[in-house]
Amino acid sequence: SQQGEEDPQALSIQEGENATMNCSYKTSINNLQWYRQNSGRGLVHLILIRSNEREKHSGRLRVTLDTSKKSSSLLITASRAADTASYFCAPGQGGSEKLVFGKGTKLTVNP
Amino acid sequence: NAGVTQTPKFQVLKTGQSMTLQCAQDMNHEYMSWYRQDPGMGLRLIHYSVGAGITDQGEVPNGYNVSRSTTEDFPLRLLSAAPSQTSVYFCATRGHSTDTQYFGPGTRLTVL
Repeated sequence: SQQGEEDPQALSIQEGENATMNCSYKTSINNLQWYRQNSGRGLVHLILIRSNEREKHSGRLRVTLDTSKKSSSLLITASRAADTASYFCAPGQGGSEKLVFGKGTKLTVNP
Repeated sequence: NAGVTQTPKFQVLKTGQSMTLQCAQDMNHEYMSWYRQDPGMGLRLIHYSVGAGITDQGEVPNGYNVSRSTTEDFPLRLLSAAPSQTSVYFCATRGHSTDTQYFGPGTRLTVL
């Protein structure tokens, strides 16, 4: 298992703007997941992208994966105050291996 | 279907006391894990289990014990609490056929 590194550490935007956060990792992966954590709560799974996929959409979320650069990005379009949360990526090998999380990106969406 | 439940929600201990944090799931997931989260930090893996009777250490296992006698339960034991164990503890589960982890609501522990 390996830890992803999210960038930036903090991001503050206005409601309606798009938010982009990035994740880098070190070794080859089978998939990469993004999770959201609202203040004081448990993490909630947002989206999983497999190593043979380059882009995936889910509602206002768009995830890209570039395995040659060992990086992923999460784009939230038309952000809302309710999107205020910390976002974590988790690169994975699949199977029963443990997931390791980084420090996350703290997103603040100002109304 | 409750998903992943954790008890208690809050706990205050004195240094040297022992306690068990409970984690239960009703999704029949094989994989369960415990994380701790400190302010400004990500989640750090304490212990995990890939099935009943099987446990293994994560990144920060010292000071914690686990056992997995059933699929449903994965308790985390602090034998002698220390102030450095003040943290928020999350339990997570994952099924064999999925990579998605499901997290409990957390236990906020303060050790004085």
